[in-house]
Amino acid sequence: SYELTQPPSVSVSPGQTARITCAGDALPKQYVHWYQQKPGQAPVLVIYKDRERPSGIPERFSGSSARTTATLTISGVQAEDEADYYCQSVDTSGTYLNWIFGGGTKLTVL
Amino acid sequence: EVLLVQSGAEVKKPGESLKISCQGSGYTFTNYWIAWVRQVPGKGLEWMGIIYPGDSDARYSPSVQGQVTISVDKSTSTASLQWSSLKASDTAIYYCARRIADGFFDYWGQGALVTVSS
Repeated sequence: SYELTQPPSVSVSPGQTARITCAGDALPKQYVHWYQQKPGQAPVLVIYKDRERPSGIPERFSGSSARTTATLTISGVQAEDEADYYCQSVDTSGTYLNWIFGGGTKLTVL
Repeated sequence: EVLLVQSGAEVKKPGESLKISCQGSGYTFTNYWIAWVRQVPGKGLEWMGIIYPGDSDARYSPSVQGQVTISVDKSTSTASLQWSSLKASDTAIYYCARRIADGFFDYWGQGALVTVSS
């Protein structure tokens, strides 16, 4: 079955740039979307269609995708960005669509 | 304002049945698919299934097919997730989320914790 692979954890100091990757064989053909989840809260969409930012999401959040790897970049990381981040895509290999999530990356702001 | 409001936390015993709900407001409920996403405490997100309120077309992840039923009541703009016989392994937080055509989820419910324990 199709999988999305993320690093379990990423650590950065405030003001630095955090990069969280998401690897998947079908990514060249499918969009990747990113969600932020803080403890005790529902996920929040921060990037959709590889690089689009929903209204209300700070400009320091950006996304890119090349070949089989998508990247969420947070420039000038702030303490409030500490959270779990999940990538998501769609598996079209079966009879029906199957929405899949990466395993999640815990971003720690040192 | 788009809102998805879920029913509250539940504590059940193994073998019991349960139905949790997700009521949408602030948009045309029948025009957008609603998905259910499971999160075991301390673990990641897992897509369970999705339903189109317009015609009640429901699809399930292979991992939960036959274990749960997703339904919708258009008259109350409510989607539901139900179990006929809960297991301890069903203990998780369950989120509903609205799906946008390009395959992502733009609005999420607040989540409902289901605890199954004898």
